[in-house]
Amino acid sequence: DVKVTQSSRYLVKRTGEKVFLECVQDMDHENMFWYRQDPGLGLRLIYFSYDVKMKEKGDIPEGYSVSREKKERFSLILESASTNQTSMYLCASSPLRAPGGYGYTFGSGTRLTVV
Amino acid sequence: GQQLNQSPQSMFIQEGEDVSMNCTSSSIFNTWLWYKQEPGEGPVLLIALYKAGELTSNGRLTAQFGITRKDSFLNISASIPSDVGIYFCAGGGSNYKLTFGKGTLLTVNP
Repeated sequence: DVKVTQSSRYLVKRTGEKVFLECVQDMDHENMFWYRQDPGLGLRLIYFSYDVKMKEKGDIPEGYSVSREKKERFSLILESASTNQTSMYLCASSPLRAPGGYGYTFGSGTRLTVV
Repeated sequence: GQQLNQSPQSMFIQEGEDVSMNCTSSSIFNTWLWYKQEPGEGPVLLIALYKAGELTSNGRLTAQFGITRKDSFLNISASIPSDVGIYFCAGGGSNYKLTFGKGTLLTVNP
């Protein structure tokens, strides 16, 4: 069964900490995405990557960075965590040559609490 | 970016009732998709629509790709308690990015 795996289901971090959220997919997908989900705001795109070492900003990149050193792994980095980054974070992947056609496969999410 | 208007925001229904939700956009999409997210999990694809006017069923779920390519609806017939969750619509354009609606929270009372 194909999967997108997020390394942690729940994380609690302190304000100012550097936080790494890891995502791995086993489908050989080119595209990978990071979203955050907040009540009433839906899914908001933070960053995406369409190839190794390539990245593009989404709608809300401020306070975040990403790393994609290998095709299967896409990391989201919170350089200095703040309480307003408390949220559910979702990773997703999709094939490159699928103009909206195949949809995304999502991970189970990481619920991050910054205290 | 593009916006999808998904309605209703939430629904409280009795088991056995039918449910209808829809998404509209000011932009044309080439693909419409419907996802369901259960509590504590990521969204899972329910139905994908690839052609204007297409009507597709998946068990008790039926979805349609609007003829104008700017809207889609999802119907759930004879709801059951395990239908609870958040339902998202998503539109796909000429690139590989999807635009998501804000979701419809469905609660089913047994």
